[in-house]
Amino acid sequence: GNSVTQMEGPVTLSEEAFLTINCTYTATGYPSLFWYVQYPGEGLQLLLKATKADDKGSNKGFEATYRKETTSFHLEKGSVQVSDSAVYFCALRNNAGNMLTFGGGTRLMVKP
Amino acid sequence: EAGVTQSPTHLIKTRGQQATLRCSPISGHTSVYWYQQALGLGLQFLLWYDEGEERNRGNFPPRFSGRQFPNYSSELNVNALELEDSALYLCASSLSRGAAIEEKLFFGSGTQLSVL
Repeated sequence: GNSVTQMEGPVTLSEEAFLTINCTYTATGYPSLFWYVQYPGEGLQLLLKATKADDKGSNKGFEATYRKETTSFHLEKGSVQVSDSAVYFCALRNNAGNMLTFGGGTRLMVKP
Repeated sequence: EAGVTQSPTHLIKTRGQQATLRCSPISGHTSVYWYQQALGLGLQFLLWYDEGEERNRGNFPPRFSGRQFPNYSSELNVNALELEDSALYLCASSLSRGAAIEEKLFFGSGTQLSVL
């Protein structure tokens, strides 16, 4: 079956630090990969996505590259801000179905 | 355009009671998904409704059930509540499958269910 594994949090960084949140997956076929962000008190929002190998998704300074050879989709940002503090979820959708499989989420805390 | 709305925002019940959670999808969306976000466990898929039919369910006991109404809104019912049912329940909506290649899932802010 499909599964997504994320690094456990919380991840605590100082403002302007470099961020990496690791995500690896197991899936049949060629899934689409997503990063969602959940700000405090809000629902999840799609942050970025990639639909095929070597695609790079990017948004709001965040980026992630679909690496089929390592089955990974690590999230990176060069310089985090306090406003980036949130929970980040890696997810996949197998193209045969409509359900998203989520990782466990990683809480990011950015301190001034 | 209104987003996905869920009610109530918070719900407090005691063990053994029943809870009903409601979700209104974005206008034009016919698929509704329910997820459970328990502390430390991430998001677990519960149920998927599309065009009024249950299309899939996650690995949850039968006391978790729901339905989708003709206007595509949805209810999640949890019977015989247990303490471990305490969680944030998120609803999401999307266009029906096959409607668009670039599907996006739009989430509501959730219902926080506390079982005492």
